[in-house]
Amino acid sequence: GAGVSQSPSNKVTEKGKDVELRCDPISGHTALYWYRQRLGQGLEFLIYFQGNSAPDKSGLPSDRFSAERTGESVSTLTIQRTQQEDSAVYLCASSRPGPKQFFGPGTRLTVL
Amino acid sequence: KNEVEQSPQNLTAQEGEFITINCSYSVGISALHWLQQHPGGGIVSLFMLSSGKKKHGRLIATINIQEKHSSLHITASHPRDSAVYICAVVGSNTGNQFYFGTGTSLTVIP
Repeated sequence: GAGVSQSPSNKVTEKGKDVELRCDPISGHTALYWYRQRLGQGLEFLIYFQGNSAPDKSGLPSDRFSAERTGESVSTLTIQRTQQEDSAVYLCASSRPGPKQFFGPGTRLTVL
Repeated sequence: KNEVEQSPQNLTAQEGEFITINCSYSVGISALHWLQQHPGGGIVSLFMLSSGKKKHGRLIATINIQEKHSSLHITASHPRDSAVYICAVVGSNTGNQFYFGTGTSLTVIP
């Protein structure tokens, strides 16, 4: 596949459960970004990876959120003890060195 | 206070009209993006600008670094242009921090 892929596309979970969201960036893209978009709101930056290090975690909303990246490949965003306010579309984007980003289709998370 | 302000928030146009969406920002930037979000939620990066002007088909994006302002123009608008257009800037002093505008919802009526 030529684009950024994310899985699952939809996730429904119960409050208090942990969820793991996956992002597969475009091959060769060294930078990877996670964003969140709550219903009716704008995009929020969560975290940025350069390779497998995360120089900017400033957007993570709480310590329930964490993210990892394996080399310059797949990244997972984990939300522990989910809350209803975590319901959102979680978007991943990747880029080569440089600021032009390519976005994935997103994962729609619903916390009941 | 939002670092990025967009106007208008909502815009309805007749097919064929010339459309302008404005973005003002208050932080130092290394780049500015215009993004298009379709009704289904998918996001496409339209332009990345650090100076001057770029054109792609019927879309034109300009940036004035001194005035901290960018515009996105759509010529000969078409119903398929209906989407939310988002301005996003990359802070120059904040690592790779992105600041997003709240978007402009465009509806083009046939």
